[in-house]
Amino acid sequence: DAGVIQSPRHEVTEMGQEVTLRCKPISGHNSLFWYRQTMMRGLELLIYFNNNVPIDDSGMPEDRFSAKMPNASFSTLKIQPSEPRDSAVYFCASGEGEISYNEQFFGPGTRLTVL
Amino acid sequence: DAKTTQPPSMDCAEGRAANLPCNHSTISGNEYVYWYRQIHSQGPQYIIHGLKNNETNEMASLIITEDRKSSTLILPHATLRDTAVYYCIARSDSSYKLIFGSGTRLLVRP
Repeated sequence: DAGVIQSPRHEVTEMGQEVTLRCKPISGHNSLFWYRQTMMRGLELLIYFNNNVPIDDSGMPEDRFSAKMPNASFSTLKIQPSEPRDSAVYFCASGEGEISYNEQFFGPGTRLTVL
Repeated sequence: DAKTTQPPSMDCAEGRAANLPCNHSTISGNEYVYWYRQIHSQGPQYIIHGLKNNETNEMASLIITEDRKSSTLILPHATLRDTAVYYCIARSDSSYKLIFGSGTRLLVRP
């Protein structure tokens, strides 16, 4: 298995532009997580999907952020409009089962820079 | 989920055992201790987890004290590729959340 796939790996954009990050979870996994990592705040959970349904989006910073999971093999995280403070590394992770108490498998991340 | 406390940094010599401590004095009975690590510029990677008993897998061993207030992750023969930030996380068996703290930055010296 190729593991969790994220694209793009690096994104540089200007303030005000729309940014879309993409994730392909491991086949067969039914839990999907989006995290954000910054120096100041560390790793934070943004949103959790189970069976393509958003279960917990309490970590989504504000209305500028939205996430979708149209099917079991694809998810997007969109920021519109983007701001410099959104600059971070965004990780997608997937796991088996509703609780995923064994492990979450993380992708390589997307490094976002908003100028 | 209980708060965990780890030293900010440690180092060890290549080939020697790396022992990474973690305090979780407020851990409750249904909370597992998880360890993840993050090698530079990569996503976090699961290492091991346990509840009460000591655990061992191909990557590491996890020693949990009898009162469960602390634990130690042991990398038996550290290599340069083990240089990473190691996160100790206390997680309820009914929770999907991984709450990452600051972790311990382990430097393995040649």
